[in-house]
Amino acid sequence: SQTIHQWPATLVQPVGSPLSLECTVEGTSNPNLYWYRQAAGRGLQLLFYSVGIGQISSEVPQNLSASRPQDRQFILSSKKLLLSDSGFYLCAWSAEMTGGKGYTFGSGTRLTVV
Amino acid sequence: GNSVTQMEGPVTLSEEAFLTINCTYTATGYPSLFWYVQYPGEGLQLLLKATKADDKGSNKGFEATYRKETTSFHLEKGSVQVSDSAVYFCALSDLRNTGRRALTFGSGTRLQVQP
Repeated sequence: SQTIHQWPATLVQPVGSPLSLECTVEGTSNPNLYWYRQAAGRGLQLLFYSVGIGQISSEVPQNLSASRPQDRQFILSSKKLLLSDSGFYLCAWSAEMTGGKGYTFGSGTRLTVV
Repeated sequence: GNSVTQMEGPVTLSEEAFLTINCTYTATGYPSLFWYVQYPGEGLQLLLKATKADDKGSNKGFEATYRKETTSFHLEKGSVQVSDSAVYFCALSDLRNTGRRALTFGSGTRLQVQP
């Protein structure tokens, strides 16, 4: 069966520090991968998605970047965190391009920038 | 572009009450529609889906019908339980018309069920 792992679960980082969140998928190949952010009291905002190794699509300009060094690994990074980067970050994968089967989400990382 | 609009929460109900959470969408074609649920401190789980007009998705007592004429996908449950307390997200996928290979989510509706 397919599983998705996301870590760490919680993170407190000072302003200006770097960030690296990792997401891996097991039990499938060539998944579509996604990073979403959920700010306090708000909905889900798509940050990045990837349909293959080295292929990253960015939805909004921001202080974050994403990379996909391996087929089932998706990394969210920042060189210098801002207070506004605080939120709940969710990684997800899907097998089907049309999204007809929906996504499977990881358990999320709660990031607090102080 | 595509968008999803949900009723604002929180929605507070007593146990065994009837639930409706409204969701309407804007899309250029015939999107697939979804409801996801997020329990406290967790990621999102797919609750149900519908891929074409008049389809009814159902799961765990929840239902939603894809209404193209009203561009709606309202979530309903006949008798809620305390364990249904969560945030519910409506979402759509419209790859065929937009080429965007990602779901568009609504802002979420928090449901609180009191015993």
